[in-house]
Amino acid sequence: DAGVIQSPRHEVTEMGQEVTLRCKPISGHDYLFWYRQTMMRGLELLIYFNNNVPIDDSGMPEDRFSAKMPNASFSTLKIQPSEPRDSAVYFCASSLTVGQGNEQYFGPGTRLTVT
Amino acid sequence: SQQGEEDPQALSIQEGENATMNCSYKTSINNLQWYRQNSGRGLVHLILIRSNEREKHSGRLRVTLDTSKKSSSLLITASRAADTASYFCATVDTGRRALTFGSGTRLQVQP
Repeated sequence: DAGVIQSPRHEVTEMGQEVTLRCKPISGHDYLFWYRQTMMRGLELLIYFNNNVPIDDSGMPEDRFSAKMPNASFSTLKIQPSEPRDSAVYFCASSLTVGQGNEQYFGPGTRLTVT
Repeated sequence: SQQGEEDPQALSIQEGENATMNCSYKTSINNLQWYRQNSGRGLVHLILIRSNEREKHSGRLRVTLDTSKKSSSLLITASRAADTASYFCATVDTGRRALTFGSGTRLQVQP
C-alpha cells in the first residue's frame, strides 16, 4: 500500500482565497483524522470520521473550516476564506481499529502558507 | 489544548547513549502511544501501551506506563544519529478514538 496520500504537499495562497486540501486514506481503514501542526499550538485534532461519517468536529477552529468524506477513499479539508493565521502543516491520518488498538498512519502533510 | 506534556522539551546526547523522554497526561486513558517525527515529515507510530500494561518493549524501545501517576516514559537504548527526531506521546481517552498529542521532545543524537 502507498500509505496515506495528501495533496498538495505545499500550498501558498493569498488571504481571502479558498484552499482545499485532499487526503486518500489507506485502503480498508475505517477512521480518518485531520490534524493541524503549528509551533505555537503543536498538533491539534481538527475532525475525525468513522466510516465516512464525521464523529467529532469540536477541534475545527471556526466556520471557515469544513471537511467532507464523500467516500471511503477520499476526504477534503476546505478553508474559505483563508487567513494568515491558518498557516500550518495539515496532516491526514487513518487507522483500522481492532479492539482497543488504534495506531494511526500519517500522511506527509500539506504545508499551507497564507500571505 | 495539549493533554500530554513531554519532558524534556529538548535533549542532546552522543551516539551510543540512552535517551529517556517522559510524558504526563491528565485524563483517564484507554492507551498511550509514542510517535516519531523527522523534520518536515509526517508522524510514524513507534509503540502502543494499553492502560492495563506497565511496560512494553520493541527493539531498542522501552515504554513504561504508570496510570496512578498519569505518566509514561520512552527509553531509546544505544541511540544512533538516525534517531534524531521529535518524539510525541499521544493518549486515547476512554470512550474516544482520537489521539491527543503532547508537545513533543526534540532529540538530537550527535555522531
